[in-house]
Amino acid sequence: DSGVTQTPKHLITATGQRVTLRCSPRSGDLSVYWYQQSLDQGLQFLIHYYNGEERAKGNILERFSAQQFPDLHSELNLSSLELGDSALYFCASSLQTSGGADTQYFGPGTRLTVL
Amino acid sequence: AQKVTQAQTEISVVEKEDVTLDCVYETRDTTYYLFWYKQPPSGELVFLIRRNSFDEQNEISGRYSWNFQKSTSSFNFTITASQVVDSAVYFCALPLYGFQKLVFGTGTRLLVSP
Repeated sequence: DSGVTQTPKHLITATGQRVTLRCSPRSGDLSVYWYQQSLDQGLQFLIHYYNGEERAKGNILERFSAQQFPDLHSELNLSSLELGDSALYFCASSLQTSGGADTQYFGPGTRLTVL
Repeated sequence: AQKVTQAQTEISVVEKEDVTLDCVYETRDTTYYLFWYKQPPSGELVFLIRRNSFDEQNEISGRYSWNFQKSTSSFNFTITASQVVDSAVYFCALPLYGFQKLVFGTGTRLLVSP
């Protein structure tokens, strides 16, 4: 158990819908990262938040957005869902932002299925 | 480009065999780290090891060992006396931009049969 929690574990929804994925980092970690794992794209970095501020963006679609709240949990919002958004979404956390040699610890993931 | 290549898509071995998973990386940085993660059939990503470019000594942890060679830009992972529980997908990863993101290889699926 990494100490990172993600809810829900599974999510099934229809095209065009909007969903919210939730992540709670390990106790004491200030950084939260979101990754998408799909069969065709592999593991792709989406976005990084540090202590409530966005720090880096990767291959995140405009239909997707994220935020980190004062209690440090994070939410990833996916809207206007398409079939191709079906994937495993991981949240990871680490102690601090750039400059450190921190390990990212991953949550169990949320499996999103868009029908 | 900064990237990680895991050329072995899938490896099948019989229990108790030794197996080596290859990882080749490209980076412009003079100081860098490399990681290995394991993804068992249950789906979670489990951290295995982090090594920095200053230290090329082999790392051993039980049945696991890692060989880091800057001369060949490789960071290979060996499992000695493999067990069925080692069956998983193994990813090599390179952090970029001051650890803001991890770039993953495509992974190697290891199947260990009894």
